[in-house]
Amino acid sequence: DQQVKQNSPSLSVQEGRISILNCDYTNSMFDYFLWYKKYPAEGPTFLISISSIKDKNEDGRFTVFLNKSAKHLSLHIVPSQPGDSAVYFCAALSGGSNYKLTFGKGTLLTVNP
Amino acid sequence: NAGVTQTPKFRVLKTGQSMTLLCAQDMNHEYMYWYRQDPGMGLRLIHYSVGEGTTAKGEVPDGYNVSRLKKQNFLLGLESAAPSQTSVYFCASSLSGPPVYNEQFFGPGTRLTVL
Repeated sequence: DQQVKQNSPSLSVQEGRISILNCDYTNSMFDYFLWYKKYPAEGPTFLISISSIKDKNEDGRFTVFLNKSAKHLSLHIVPSQPGDSAVYFCAALSGGSNYKLTFGKGTLLTVNP
Repeated sequence: NAGVTQTPKFRVLKTGQSMTLLCAQDMNHEYMYWYRQDPGMGLRLIHYSVGEGTTAKGEVPDGYNVSRLKKQNFLLGLESAAPSQTSVYFCASSLSGPPVYNEQFFGPGTRLTVL
């Protein structure tokens, strides 16, 4: 039973355009969401997070939107750059078991020059 | 700061062999974690530790043991390796845990193959 779903295994965009990565979750107990970015042969690095009490969080070119009623979040990257090419993981935490990050399977983003 | 380091980077084992993966962090973090990542899968938590001398099971603990004798080190042991344990193993650490959410910092990973 996959509680965090990233239904698009890959996404390709042109440099300068917007990248939108999507994530759906099923567990209504999740109350904190994170995006991690991973380059090949490296560990994931934290990108941005959002608490369930918010519907938007922005950090430079990265914005995460949360729609609690739809159990959906998205990561927007504007403008996209070739260095953004990586695998992006959505992860979620619930108030009852905060030690455990539940990860999606990841989306490979390719930004073409 | 080196952050989170993992030793070794690569290892090939035969079925039944044992080994220990070492994770070290120099950020004085209380919490440490071991994950595994399999092809086409997200990261899954194996074991974690909320402080020196404490460990707890995660989502997929079977076949693994851990120890946290020193705050900066978290060891993952495979007593009798099986092909199903072929994976990439990531260690992570965070400053604290609930109710404050802190980001987890990840090491570069150890690629383990069990033949």
